[in-house]
Amino acid sequence: AQRVTQPEKLLSVFKGAPVELKCNYSYSGSPELFWYVQYSRQRLQLLLRHISRESIKGFTADLNKGETSFHLKKPFAQEEDSAMYYCAPNKLIFGAGTRLAVHP
Amino acid sequence: NAGVTQTPKFQVLKTGQSMTLQCAQDMNHEYMSWYRQDPGMGLRLIHYSVGAGITDQGEVPNGYNVSRSTTEDFPLRLLSAAPSQTSVYFCASSNTGGRAFFGQGTRLTVV
Repeated sequence: AQRVTQPEKLLSVFKGAPVELKCNYSYSGSPELFWYVQYSRQRLQLLLRHISRESIKGFTADLNKGETSFHLKKPFAQEEDSAMYYCAPNKLIFGAGTRLAVHP
Repeated sequence: NAGVTQTPKFQVLKTGQSMTLQCAQDMNHEYMSWYRQDPGMGLRLIHYSVGAGITDQGEVPNGYNVSRSTTEDFPLRLLSAAPSQTSVYFCASSNTGGRAFFGQGTRLTVV
């Protein structure tokens, strides 16, 4: 079975604080691993994907195969980072999402 | 480049009515999928298609039908709307190994 768990429904931090949005997956085969973001009143869009090993808007995500995790991190949160974040182990399956609220 | 286009953006239905949510993509993507987004539930997969003429059920298929007669279009049909189908619906498309592109969503209310 393919499952993805985002244990936090809401993550509330102050501007400038570090952020870590957790994602754990169980997947048969090689997961592709994506993070998507949905800003208020906008459609979902890709934030980053594992295969690219990129940093987008200061966010990074590292695959830990031993822990089957793909946590999203940013060292200094900004107010404009407030959004819903979804972890996806492939192009079809998405987690329940974590709402990040960054306060001034 | 339009990407993924969903229509309508908003819809109110009475219980028992039927309707079709439209989804079209112009990127020649093989995969297309429909999701419903409910508070605290994330994106739940309703139906998906891996190519024209091929469809399969996702996590929550009951009450919905789909067809994929062309690569571009993937309509979602509600046969007899129920209040439990009040939700925001998203269509997405992608290529093998690629990321998903999403439509802007359809907010459906069933009264």
